[in-house]
Amino acid sequence: DGGITQSPKYLFRKEGQNVTLSCEQNLNHDAMYWYRQDPGQGLRLIYYSQIVNDFQKGDIAEGYSVSREKKESFPLTVTSAQKNPTAFYLCASSISRPSQIGSPLHFGNGTRLTVT
Amino acid sequence: KQEVTQIPAALSVPEGENLVLNCSFTDSAIYNLQWFRQDPGKGLTSLLLIQSSQREQTSGRLNASLDKSSGRSTLYIAASQPGDSATYLCAVLPSGGGADGLTFGKGTHLIIQP
Repeated sequence: DGGITQSPKYLFRKEGQNVTLSCEQNLNHDAMYWYRQDPGQGLRLIYYSQIVNDFQKGDIAEGYSVSREKKESFPLTVTSAQKNPTAFYLCASSISRPSQIGSPLHFGNGTRLTVT
Repeated sequence: KQEVTQIPAALSVPEGENLVLNCSFTDSAIYNLQWFRQDPGKGLTSLLLIQSSQREQTSGRLNASLDKSSGRSTLYIAASQPGDSATYLCAVLPSGGGADGLTFGKGTHLIIQP
């Protein structure tokens, strides 16, 4: 079955440590996205990538970094510079940039990160 | 800056009722609008996508409408079932430039009572 896999489902880290969240898709989608979801707030875009070896900052990119070395993979690193890293992180993909053909977003099941 | 508002924030209705969820957005310059469903602790599932040139989309018991000029969309759920219980999110894709990502509302938490 095609889909998006995020791992792990739960992640615990000590403050000051960098942590990398995995996102893999086998949908052959060009575009991939990282969103953050906090209680009582809507999803907010962290980074997105339209094609391999290219990525752009979203609305809240500070304290995060990404790479897109393979079409299938778009890992997100939460660095120690991120002041409030505890959140639910969601990865998504679409066939192409949503603005081009109105392609819907497909989401993974998320990673819940807790930093203490 | 585009803002998306969903009303009500929470809704509880008996099984079998028809219901309407509302979504409003401040800037009518959008490419499309999407409705999603999110179950607790899970990712989002796309329900319906309406292009800016369209007025409505239907899938099974779901019907979504779009009035771009007034900045409003509704999601109509017919003959509600307990399995429809979830959080429903509305999101728009702004066409005014900037990051190529969706702007989301905070969602409507729906409970269908058996």
